[in-house]
Amino acid sequence: SAVISQKPSRDICQRGTSLTIQCQVDSQVTMMFWYRQQPGQSLTLIATANQGSEATYESGFVIDKFPISRPNLTFSTLTVSNMSPEDSSIYLCSVQTSTGNIQYFGAGTRLSVL
Amino acid sequence: GENVEQHPSTLSVQEGDSAVIKCTYSDSASNYFPWYKQELGKRPQLIIDIRSNVGEKKDQRIAVTLNKTAKHFSLHITETQPEDSAVYFCAVPAGGFQKLVFGTGTRLLVSP
Repeated sequence: SAVISQKPSRDICQRGTSLTIQCQVDSQVTMMFWYRQQPGQSLTLIATANQGSEATYESGFVIDKFPISRPNLTFSTLTVSNMSPEDSSIYLCSVQTSTGNIQYFGAGTRLSVL
Repeated sequence: GENVEQHPSTLSVQEGDSAVIKCTYSDSASNYFPWYKQELGKRPQLIIDIRSNVGEKKDQRIAVTLNKTAKHFSLHITETQPEDSAVYFCAVPAGGFQKLVFGTGTRLLVSP
């Protein structure tokens, strides 16, 4: 498995501001992903964070709103830009090790936008 | 794209009973089928997974069965305990099998 540190664990932000979430893994991993989980809902993939290149976004998510960085094989950031109350959600990073499709999740960031 | 359906959405059982959750998928080439458990306020945790070359896998009180012909797989929990109460998600690979598509989740409540 992999030990994943995600921070902040929670934040309360004002609308119009931006928040950057960090995800740090204790070992090099092949794939890193960012998910959103709205209250009582399933996990929705925002994007795949690609090392050294632009992230691959899912339908309904755009780079201007959710810029992602992945400078190396152990670290990624997700920024939620120009926030509105609709962005209130839990954001989770996950990593996929080289052994098959197995994914492990960070503890998540609980974001509230006022 | 891959379509994953999960049933039931909620499941209430008495302690000691068995619980079964089913997922169906659309891409017959899918070859990896994990189940995650998410307790309230916690991260999703992988509890069991199966690959397409086997039909069943067990780990103590939990098991997963796979029917590739019918394109469905199921999570079985026997002798349920209150600590099994959580939301369970199935997932299926998609997009070249690098990413996962998650089911809608099943809220399991085990009453003492």
